Amino acid sequence: DVKVTQSSRYLVKRTGEKVFLECVQDMDHENMFWYRQDPGLGLRLIYFSYDVKMKEKGDIPEGYSVSREKKERFSLILESASTNQTSMYLCASSSLIFGQGPGYEQYFGPGTRLTVT
Amino acid sequence: SQELEQSPQSLIVQEGKNLTINCTSSKTLYGLYWYKQKYGEGLIFLMMLQKGGEEKSHEKITAKLDEKKQQSSLHITASQPSHAGIYLCGADMWAGANSKLTFGKGITLSVRP
Repeated sequence: DVKVTQSSRYLVKRTGEKVFLECVQDMDHENMFWYRQDPGLGLRLIYFSYDVKMKEKGDIPEGYSVSREKKERFSLILESASTNQTSMYLCASSSLIFGQGPGYEQYFGPGTRLTVT
Repeated sequence: SQELEQSPQSLIVQEGKNLTINCTSSKTLYGLYWYKQKYGEGLIFLMMLQKGGEEKSHEKITAKLDEKKQQSSLHITASQPSHAGIYLCGADMWAGANSKLTFGKGITLSVRP
């Protein structure tokens, strides 16, 4: 079974703190993604990575950065947490499926519910 | 504007009833993915559709992608409380490889015993 794990299920931080969210996958997947999920807004892509040390901005990268030093690990960093970053954060990974067109399913971690006070 | 529209926003059905939910785009979809999410948890992959007219089934859930590849439906037969949750569709909206998925806002399904 594909397993994507996230470092915390629940996290409470103060405004201005630097926050690290860690994600690890054990299936040797090339692609990794960070999303946030908010009521009424759905799932929005923050950053993604196709390979080690590579990163691409998603739809809402402002206020976030990422790091991918090893293939299995993708970190999301909130440089200075703000209350509007209170959200559910979901990590996902996927492999490239050659020969089957552009599609590939993403496997998700359990999520981290971050509260910034 | 939302590129993937899901309808209805929420649904309450009596156990044993059939139901259908939809995912619609104004653009051609190069891959359509259905996920289920229990409240407060991660997404579980259900099915992937790529070809126009394609239909897939798993247990009591059937997903279809229309011939124009702009709309998908998810049908649940004889619903059970275990089917309750949030159903999200995600789609590849670009033809190239390495494309990211765009997600709809999700449909909340409640099943009354």
